[in-house]
Amino acid sequence: AQSVTQPDIHITVSEGASLELRCNYSYGATPYLFWYVQSPGQGLQLLLKYFSGDTLVQGIKGFEAEFKRSQSSFNLRKPSVHWSDAAEYFCAVGSGVTGGGNKLTFGTGTQLKVEL
Amino acid sequence: DAGVTQSPTHLIKTRGQQVTLRCSPKSGHDTVSWYQQALGQGPQFIFQYYEEEERQRGNFPDRFSGHQFPNYSSELNVNALLLGDSALYLCASSLRDQPQHFGDGTRLSIL
Repeated sequence: AQSVTQPDIHITVSEGASLELRCNYSYGATPYLFWYVQSPGQGLQLLLKYFSGDTLVQGIKGFEAEFKRSQSSFNLRKPSVHWSDAAEYFCAVGSGVTGGGNKLTFGTGTQLKVEL
Repeated sequence: DAGVTQSPTHLIKTRGQQVTLRCSPKSGHDTVSWYQQALGQGPQFIFQYYEEEERQRGNFPDRFSGHQFPNYSSELNVNALLLGDSALYLCASSLRDQPQHFGDGTRLSIL
């Protein structure tokens, strides 16, 4: 069965500092990996996705993530955090041959707080 | 271009009642998935509908059922509500192998 682990429940960074959110997955085949962000009272917004190819993927809002098969990881990074980045971040793995459109398994999320 | 819309936004029910939640997918999308997000948790997959058929199902009891209409909109029905059904219910739509787009959810509270 597929699973996702986000080891950090809460992270606090200062505005302008760099950010890395960790994600480890378990999946038997080539994974389809996603990062979503959720602001309070809102649904989930897709930040970026990895299906295949280049292991460093760029997303919206200046975020990027690197797929490392040997470490079963897909960590999210941003070089300089803005106060508006404060939100909850979810890593997810998609099953099935059609990838993104199929069942998503999410981690428990990382709550990001940004100090001004 | 409207995204995924869900109704109602909030709902309060009592134990034992039944509830229906509704979802209209993003324009051009043909697949609808439903997720349950308990407080402080990540979303959990309930089921997915494609061509008006349930294509996949997560680990949820039969009290959870759904439907997809010819216009691709979808309903989630929950019978015999339990206190533990209190959660944010998220609908997501997609087209083929493209990523899922989520609505803002329906907050269901069970008293």
